[in-house]
Amino acid sequence: KQEVTQIPAALSVPEGENLVLNCSFTDSAIYNLQWFRQDPGKGLTSLLLIQSSQREQTSGRLNASLDKSSGRSTLYIAASQPGDSATYLCAVTFTGGGNKLTFGTGTQLKVEL
Amino acid sequence: EPEVTQTPSHQVTQMGQEVILRCVPISNHLYFYWYRQILGQKVEFLVSFYNNEISEKSEIFDDQFSVERPDGSNFTLKIRSTKLEDSAMYFCASSESRTGGPTQYFGPGTRLLVL
Repeated sequence: KQEVTQIPAALSVPEGENLVLNCSFTDSAIYNLQWFRQDPGKGLTSLLLIQSSQREQTSGRLNASLDKSSGRSTLYIAASQPGDSATYLCAVTFTGGGNKLTFGTGTQLKVEL
Repeated sequence: EPEVTQTPSHQVTQMGQEVILRCVPISNHLYFYWYRQILGQKVEFLVSFYNNEISEKSEIFDDQFSVERPDGSNFTLKIRSTKLEDSAMYFCASSESRTGGPTQYFGPGTRLLVL
């Protein structure tokens, strides 16, 4: 079964710290992997999308890496700020699975002053 | 910047009632999706839709669910007879293409509460 797992489930860090969120997936046959941000009770904001042929993508303080062969992705957030507090979701489009996204359960991040 | 919109933002209904959730995808997008997220759980795929047909559906998308593109702009999800377990946040998404894992753009969601 094609599944996506995220650890840790929750993370609390002091402001200014660099942090890494982890995502793993069970099948290396993927089209792409996408990281989303979800604020409480709100929708999904796409942060970064990495195609299967890429190793990493960067946007501002965010850097996402992809190691398809090991079934892993990381989201690196530099110099964290209280405004980064949210749930971060990883989602994978597996080949042979149509175009649907398979989501992880997310990592709830709290950045404290 | 174009975005996906959804109405209503919140809906409360009685068990057994029909509900219609509405979405306006990004205007040049041709591929549409519904997902749902039960409180505290993963976002789950429900259905994808292209060229006025369902392309793929999950086990969740049973006979109680239907989708429609009634006109050139709206995309709807109907639940015929709601159950308590249908309470969730429902997200609509759209993409420009349909091959190779296209980027999906999500709406803000409709929070459905079935009493």
